Amino acid sequence: EAGVAQSPRYKIIEKRQSVAFWCNPISGHATLYWYQQILGQGPKLLIQFQNNGVVDDSQLPKDRFSAERLKGVDSTLKIQPAKLEDSAVYLCASRSSGRGSYEQYFGPGTRLTVT
Amino acid sequence: SQQGEEDPQALSIQEGENATMNCSYKTSINNLQWYRQNSGRGLVHLILIRSNEREKHSGRLRVTLDTSKKSSSLLITASRAADTASYFCATDRSSNTGKLIFGQGTTLQVKP
Repeated sequence: EAGVAQSPRYKIIEKRQSVAFWCNPISGHATLYWYQQILGQGPKLLIQFQNNGVVDDSQLPKDRFSAERLKGVDSTLKIQPAKLEDSAVYLCASRSSGRGSYEQYFGPGTRLTVT
Repeated sequence: SQQGEEDPQALSIQEGENATMNCSYKTSINNLQWYRQNSGRGLVHLILIRSNEREKHSGRLRVTLDTSKKSSSLLITASRAADTASYFCATDRSSNTGKLIFGQGTTLQVKP
């Protein structure tokens, strides 16, 4: 089966600019996650979707970050305006809603550099 | 906030040796998972251990879980250069949401 797809793979922007990341989860996976991974740290959950509804966005900086999952498939994460501290790898993951399915499948990530 | 803390932060061994990584967490969990991350393949799920299990094996991997001490360990036996990567433990407090809290990770270098 095809894995989680993300684009772009790399992005360099200046502070105060906006940027958007795209994710296409594994077909049939109802749950989609966006993580932020700062260099040297573990991934931190930003937002979780179940189909097209938000389950958890408690750690999403809502003044500058937004995310949507229209039609319950693809998802877009946006940052506007970007700050220097947003430099990180943004990971998308998906999970099957099947009984006993706890494993998350991760995409390759988008490495964002804010200058 | 990160729930898991991993120890050591970095580990360097020779090929063929065993590598042990430890993870401690703070709250009750439904399951604990280990993931590997390298530049070539991103984050990959290795093994999951449920809260009612004490030990689990998968190939050269052995995971233990001590819920009374809120700790887990990952043992990689007969390590290979290809095992060079960062290893993260992640705790799942509720099977309903599947929300994972990742630790800071252990960077493993296996020298040929």
